[in-house]
Amino acid sequence: QLQLLESGPGLVKASETLSLICTVSGGPVRSSTYYWGWIRQPPGKGLEWIGSIDYTGSAYYDSSLKSRVSMSVDTSKNQFSLRLTSVTEVDTAVYYCARHPDYGAMSWGQGTVVTVSS
Amino acid sequence: EIVMTQSPATLSVSPGERATLSCRASQSISRYLAWYQQKPGQAPRLLIYDASTRATGIPVRFSGSGSGTEFTLTISTLQSEDFAVYYCQQYNDWPPLTFGGGTKVEIK
Repeated sequence: QLQLLESGPGLVKASETLSLICTVSGGPVRSSTYYWGWIRQPPGKGLEWIGSIDYTGSAYYDSSLKSRVSMSVDTSKNQFSLRLTSVTEVDTAVYYCARHPDYGAMSWGQGTVVTVSS
Repeated sequence: EIVMTQSPATLSVSPGERATLSCRASQSISRYLAWYQQKPGQAPRLLIYDASTRATGIPVRFSGSGSGTEFTLTISTLQSEDFAVYYCQQYNDWPPLTFGGGTKVEIK
């Protein structure tokens, strides 16, 4: 059974870089069938797609975050990661990692809370 | 970018009643639509994919319909555990993947 588990600092200072890792079990990251994505949810708000990456490292990002975000895949560790630079308080959110096919719905991790402190 | 619009924002329903949630896409997305349920403090849970296919383990009281730009999630007989926020998401044309703003189903 697929499981995704986010990990990383729960508190990041403003202007610094947010880094998260998603560890995948129950299926290989090295799969041509799936993308590996990040979605966030600010407190009391809806879901925002951040970006998705495939196992070759081809990534797609939301245009509003494109200048600050990067993703990578580590097939040897069955993990993928998110980096978001120059964070501000508006980046405070629950961050979810997920798996999805090209034309398909998402399977979600449990989420991790990230707070940006000023 | 395909904009997803959900209505109503809040739906007040009594247990045992029927709930009908709507999702509209700004352009045709064929049937490439998913519905998720989210309870406080939890990750979203997939209910429906490809507009009308129930995900594994989802009760039959949840049903999805629609194609093109208009979609509906119906909960036939609301149970206490169904009070939650529901999101639709399109995956027909991405990037970006886009979500609706959510419908909160609350106890009347």
